[in-house]
Amino acid sequence: QKEVEQDPGPLSVPEGAIVSLNCTYSNSAFQYFMWYRQYSRKGPELLMYTYSSGNKEDGRFTAQVDKSSKYISLFIRDSQPSDSATYLCAMMNYGQNFVFGPGTRLSVLP
Amino acid sequence: EAGVAQSPRYKIIEKRQSVAFWCNPISGHATLYWYQQILGQGPKLLIQFQNNGVVDDSQLPKDRFSAERLKGVDSTLKIQPAKLEDSAVYLCASSLDEQYFGPGTRLTVT
Repeated sequence: QKEVEQDPGPLSVPEGAIVSLNCTYSNSAFQYFMWYRQYSRKGPELLMYTYSSGNKEDGRFTAQVDKSSKYISLFIRDSQPSDSATYLCAMMNYGQNFVFGPGTRLSVLP
Repeated sequence: EAGVAQSPRYKIIEKRQSVAFWCNPISGHATLYWYQQILGQGPKLLIQFQNNGVVDDSQLPKDRFSAERLKGVDSTLKIQPAKLEDSAVYLCASSLDEQYFGPGTRLTVT
């Protein structure tokens, strides 16, 4: 079993849809959970950062962490064509390095 | 604030040749990372520097890869000799807290 797994995609949705992106992980020691967005031929950029379990909202984006299930999600409301990108989850334990998921490619169709 | 700079952006070499990548982090960022991102996968950490010291190089294939960060600022990553499986995007990131990624160098080994 890989340390971090992610819905493989690709995922295509119409503009305005609610998007759900998910990751599961096996290492219960992870405490910090991140979502990165990566446009084609660009480096990843941090979208959301969450410590431990719970929800965090930032504009159209909501991150959820359920440590008991080792499951994290990113929800995008009112999705826009500019949201079309690859979304990477990443996680770490304090003092250790990031482990990234393989990414889910999202296309939002106008 | 200028971002993380990387060069070259693209490189094509034949197997068994050598290649070097350069990274200039964001000014003041003590921590610098090199990642390898193979197509369809998330970034994998190769090496992490804190100033000019190595913090983690456990996933660096040391028989062919080397990296240095002289004077704790710029860094170079070298591959010698290259193999076909080294074809990937090599990402540099720097951080104080949050990681900021450069655009990457796309390496093709033929």
